[in-house]
Amino acid sequence: AQSVAQPEDQVNVAEGNPLTVKCTYSVSGNPYLFWYVQYPNRGLQFLLKYITGDNLVKGSYGFEAEFNKSQTSFHLKKPSALVSDSALYFCAVRDYGGSQGNLIFGKGTKLSVKP
Amino acid sequence: DTGVSQDPRHKITKRGQNVTFRCDPISEHNRLYWYRQTLGQGPEFLTYFQNEAQLEKSRLLSDRFSAERPKGSFSTLEIQRTEQGDSAMYLCASRGEQGGNEAFFGQGTRLTVV
Repeated sequence: AQSVAQPEDQVNVAEGNPLTVKCTYSVSGNPYLFWYVQYPNRGLQFLLKYITGDNLVKGSYGFEAEFNKSQTSFHLKKPSALVSDSALYFCAVRDYGGSQGNLIFGKGTKLSVKP
Repeated sequence: DTGVSQDPRHKITKRGQNVTFRCDPISEHNRLYWYRQTLGQGPEFLTYFQNEAQLEKSRLLSDRFSAERPKGSFSTLEIQRTEQGDSAMYLCASRGEQGGNEAFFGQGTRLTVV
């Protein structure tokens, strides 16, 4: 079965410092990987995706993610964190195991950026 | 606003009552998904429509839940005889035809069963 793991419940970063939010995945074939962000009482906003090609993908709001097939990881990164980046971040993989492409999400990582 | 919209944003209901939520997807998207998100968890898949056809239902979708997408446009999710365990955020998402396309989510409907 396909799955996603986000090993950290919370990540604390000082404003201006680089941030990393970790994600590992387990799939039977080639993964379609996504990062979404959720602000309080809001839906999910798409940040970036990896489908194929360059292992470093760039997304919205200065975020990027690195796909590493050997480590089955897709960590989210940003060179310089902003207080406004504080939110809940979800990694997801598209499920093609007999289904119609719904997303399987990790439990989420709460990012807290302090001034 | 051409994004995914959901109505209502919040719903408080008494246990045992029926509730219905609506989702209007992005107009050109033929694929529509419903998810449920409980506190501290990521969204969990409930059901999927391609155009008007409901092609997949998760085991989370008990007999008290039903979803429709008449004419392949908006969708409704109904919960009958609500239970306290149904309290959650219900999210709708839509996406286009290509396999690599990202899904776009609505703001969600937060259901509280008292």
